[in-house]
Amino acid sequence: DQQVKQNSPSLSVQEGRISILNCDYTNSMFDYFLWYKKYPAEGPTFLISISSIKDKNEDGRFTVFLNKSAKHLSLHIVPSQPGDSAVYFCAASAFGIQGAQKLVFGQGTRLTINP
Amino acid sequence: DVKVTQSSRYLVKRTGEKVFLECVQDMDHENMFWYRQDPGLGLRLIYFSYDVKMKEKGDIPEGYSVSREKKERFSLILESASTNQTSMYLCASRQGATSSGNTIYFGEGSWLTVV
Repeated sequence: DQQVKQNSPSLSVQEGRISILNCDYTNSMFDYFLWYKKYPAEGPTFLISISSIKDKNEDGRFTVFLNKSAKHLSLHIVPSQPGDSAVYFCAASAFGIQGAQKLVFGQGTRLTINP
Repeated sequence: DVKVTQSSRYLVKRTGEKVFLECVQDMDHENMFWYRQDPGLGLRLIYFSYDVKMKEKGDIPEGYSVSREKKERFSLILESASTNQTSMYLCASRQGATSSGNTIYFGEGSWLTVV
């Protein structure tokens, strides 16, 4: 049972344009969402997060949007740069339920920025 | 900066061998995690530990065990390695979950090949 889903395994975007990565979740108990970026042969690095009490969080070129009613979040990168080429993982966590301290990850989306 | 160090980056082991993957973090974090990453499956949680000598099974604990004798060290053990355990293993740590918003920090990963 995949509680966090990234339905696009890959995405290709022109340099300078907007990249939009999507993530859906099923567990309504999730109250915190994070995006991680991963280069090959390296561990994931934290990118940006959002609490369920917000619907938008922005950090420089990166913005995360949360639509709780649709159980959907998205990561916007604008403008996209070649260094953004990586695999992006969406993750969700819930506090206060059994196993609450773990983070559930999606399958990842490989983003390629074309010059 | 948080540093999560995985002792072995690349290992090749034979089927049936006992394998130890070691992880050390330097930020006095309470929580530590072991994930594996496989193409198309994202990051899947094997085990996590929320304190010394405390452990809980994640989503795919079969064939694995863990040890946390000291706060800074979390070891993953493959009692009898099998070829389907060929994967990238990622250790992570996080400050104790007073909320679900504490960021997880990852090590660089250990590539294990079982032949």
